[in-house]
Amino acid sequence: GQQVMQIPQYQHVQEGEDFTTYCNSSTTLSNIQWYKQRPGGHPVFLIQLVKSGEVKKQKRLTFQFGEAKKNSSLHITATQTTDVGTYFCAGRGGTSYGKLTFGQGTILTVHP
Amino acid sequence: GAVVSQHPSWVICKSGTSVKIECRSLDFQATTMFWYRQFPKQSLMLMATSNEGSKATYEQGVEKDKFLINHASLTLSTLTVTSAHPEDSSFYICSARDLSGGGPLETQYFGPGTRLLVL
Repeated sequence: GQQVMQIPQYQHVQEGEDFTTYCNSSTTLSNIQWYKQRPGGHPVFLIQLVKSGEVKKQKRLTFQFGEAKKNSSLHITATQTTDVGTYFCAGRGGTSYGKLTFGQGTILTVHP
Repeated sequence: GAVVSQHPSWVICKSGTSVKIECRSLDFQATTMFWYRQFPKQSLMLMATSNEGSKATYEQGVEKDKFLINHASLTLSTLTVTSAHPEDSSFYICSARDLSGGGPLETQYFGPGTRLLVL
């Protein structure tokens, strides 16, 4: 079945440093979504990427979808303590109404 | 954005009892809801897809007789953990898909989750 791998599992950064998490699917995706889960909280939708090679930005966050629609990345510029949490990618394969397969998540800690 | 609620947020029960968790879409109708389970510091694992008015679709390895899902209306899905055991202790999260056009296509909105502890 479809597998979505995400690295790194953990990332510790100093406030102000950049952060990147990578997501790779075993199959071509119809779209990919990114979520953020704060400690003790539930996943919150950040963005969805649909087109091959798509790049979207949300303030300090930059999301990319690979040309082959099998990989994606989330980059945070100049991290802040409010960025702490677990970032998940979730891929949807096959038809656009297929289930989401979540990556393992990257736990980000930011030291002030 | 769309709001999904879950009840209860916390439940502690004795081994062998059944626990019902409710998932409600508060400001939109959800023909499809999803139930996930998340163990500490792990990812979300899809358990089943709940379809309004029809049987749920369970993922491989999930016992449908143990995790009963009912999606009787467009705003409510329930997950019942029957004869719960300590290994069923986990964080159960539901999500609902809003296709009304008010947000990004096929966005899943997650409920706040239910933490189940079976003693």
